[in-house]
Amino acid sequence: KAGVTQTPRYLIKTRGQQVTLSCSPISGHRSVSWYQQTPGQGLQFLFEYFSETQRNKGNFPGRFSGRQFSNSRSEMNVSTLELGDSALYLCASSLSSGGYEKLFFGSGTQLSVL
Amino acid sequence: GIQVEQSPPDLILQEGANSTLRCNFSDSVNNLQWFHQNPWGQLINLFYIPSGTKQNGRLSATTVATERYSLLYISSSQTTDSGVYFCAVGNAGNMLTFGGGTRLMVKP
Repeated sequence: KAGVTQTPRYLIKTRGQQVTLSCSPISGHRSVSWYQQTPGQGLQFLFEYFSETQRNKGNFPGRFSGRQFSNSRSEMNVSTLELGDSALYLCASSLSSGGYEKLFFGSGTQLSVL
Repeated sequence: GIQVEQSPPDLILQEGANSTLRCNFSDSVNNLQWFHQNPWGQLINLFYIPSGTKQNGRLSATTVATERYSLLYISSSQTTDSGVYFCAVGNAGNMLTFGGGTRLMVKP
């Protein structure tokens, strides 16, 4: 069974641009969560989607948004990029959204904002 | 929000040694997981353990939910165990709060 797939692996953008990251969960998993990892703030929760509905949202500005499609694939979008948005963005999937089983992470998208 | 503290922050071991990593959290949780982030950045799920004890090969974990802590034991460490170990907790679905991690280096 294939794991969580994130594309692209690396991205370089300039301030003010927008970016879209993609995540395909493990087959059969319906919950997709997004996390941001930076050296200063560590791993922080962005949002979670289940059955195309946002279930939980972390403490990030509205420039960060996401969506989930009917096949459970998810995208997150960051608009008006700032230097501080440079980070590793990690996607995770699980069977349900109840928090009763393991979370499986993809390899991440490393975003650099210049 | 929930606070998560991991100790020690850094750990250097000789191959074959045993170690115990600790995770303290500030509030009751119904979701607790341990992860290993390898040097390439991949987060690997080690345990889902909101309470009780589990073992998987050389690794085992114990969570005492009433006292708000969890322990990860690594026995007979190998160089491939190097990386950062994270504890993550939550009480709202898959919204997890991560600790700062324990950076482990195993020397041959």
